[in-house]
Amino acid sequence: DIQMTQSPSFVSASVGDRVIITCRASQDISSWLAWYQQRPGKAPKLLISGASTLQVGVPSRFSGSGFGTEFTLTISSLQPEDSSTYYCQPTNGFPPYTFGPGTKLLIK
Amino acid sequence: DVQLVESGGDLVRPGGSLRLSCEASGFVFSSYAMNWVRQAPGKGLEWVAVINDSADRTYYADSVKGRFTISRDNSKKTLYLQMNNLRAEDTAVYYCTKARAFAWLPIFDLWGQGALVTVSS
Repeated sequence: DIQMTQSPSFVSASVGDRVIITCRASQDISSWLAWYQQRPGKAPKLLISGASTLQVGVPSRFSGSGFGTEFTLTISSLQPEDSSTYYCQPTNGFPPYTFGPGTKLLIK
Repeated sequence: DVQLVESGGDLVRPGGSLRLSCEASGFVFSSYAMNWVRQAPGKGLEWVAVINDSADRTYYADSVKGRFTISRDNSKKTLYLQMNNLRAEDTAVYYCTKARAFAWLPIFDLWGQGALVTVSS
């Protein structure tokens, strides 16, 4: 099974700041990576697939990059509604599927 | 509207059983694999099970194998999760999720609102 790590596990930032979240895979997954946003008390929402493809309706301040084993989610110019937990997920291969442990983002 | 609506969450005793349902609308249900993902209180996301579009292949997380059964009725546009021999550690919000393809591509592009299952005596 592919194991994922995320850093940091918690980040606090202000409106207008830029935040970078890193996700690392235990083996090469090419560009097979998705990012999800989960607001408090809500279901997760798909933000990015294919490591860098923004889903329809996702604000352009979100961007993803990376290849192989190291990936980043960047949120430029933070907004209050970005306060959420962000999960990465490898999207290649057969089950079982895994998720990263999550990064909690708090807007000051 | 494109949506998934779960039902069936409840409080159940250890060793008991429960069946969750997830009704789909707004897309061609029979064309996509479907999954259950759960989230224990204060914890991260844990994938539980997947069923392909034609319902002839299923896979499970080791933590639920032999106790949970995923199934679907494409004529009713409904996904199910039968949970038997429930344990305290199965306490979680269970999400029904739509995969982007008919089989093994775990990009979950649509999620239900979640159903809370509490296992406690």
